Amino acid sequence: EAQVTQNPRYLITVTGKKLTVTCSQNMNHEYMSWYRQDPGLGLRQIYYSMNVEVTDKGDVPEGYKVSRKEKRNFPLILESPSPNQTSLYFCASSLVAGNTIYFGEGSWLTVV
Amino acid sequence: AQKVTQAQTEISVVEKEDVTLDCVYETRDTTYYLFWYKQPPSGELVFLIRRNSFDEQNEISGRYSWNFQKSTSSFNFTITASQVVDSAVYFCALSEASNAGKSTFGDGTTLTVKP
Repeated sequence: EAQVTQNPRYLITVTGKKLTVTCSQNMNHEYMSWYRQDPGLGLRQIYYSMNVEVTDKGDVPEGYKVSRKEKRNFPLILESPSPNQTSLYFCASSLVAGNTIYFGEGSWLTVV
Repeated sequence: AQKVTQAQTEISVVEKEDVTLDCVYETRDTTYYLFWYKQPPSGELVFLIRRNSFDEQNEISGRYSWNFQKSTSSFNFTITASQVVDSAVYFCALSEASNAGKSTFGDGTTLTVKP
């Protein structure tokens, strides 16, 4: 089944404790992206990757890192999480940029 | 800079009513892509439609229809004979061909369909 899988789905962590949200797609998509969703603000793009080893900032990249060492994986790293990073995070992929975006199920992250 | 505006924050209708969700976009590109996504209460994001800027034909899919008008930079979404299962948050999104990696979403419209 074609899908975008992200883990963990739910996480409560403490301020400053590094964490990684993994994202994997099995559709051989070139393009992958991370978004965060906050009430009343829609989805805001954090980082995106056009292909392996190619990443670029979205609208809200501060406090986040990403890497794209393999085509299928695009982890989101919070080096030192803060409470303002409490949010619902979505990973997404598409065949190429501009095509239909397929989203993962979302990861609820709470930083206390 | 690209921008998407969904002016309707919340809409409430009674089942079987028709409802239109507005989406207005801003872009300087001549080639761009517009999308609609549905987010039901369960939280996942469901793709509804993709339209490129060169295709102004309106689209109908069952009870759903989309009206794309470049003259007014709008890509509106109409649900005919709404049902309770249509209750969700609906997002309109834009991606420019010149920078296709960046995508901009509107703030979403929460649709509630009452029985």
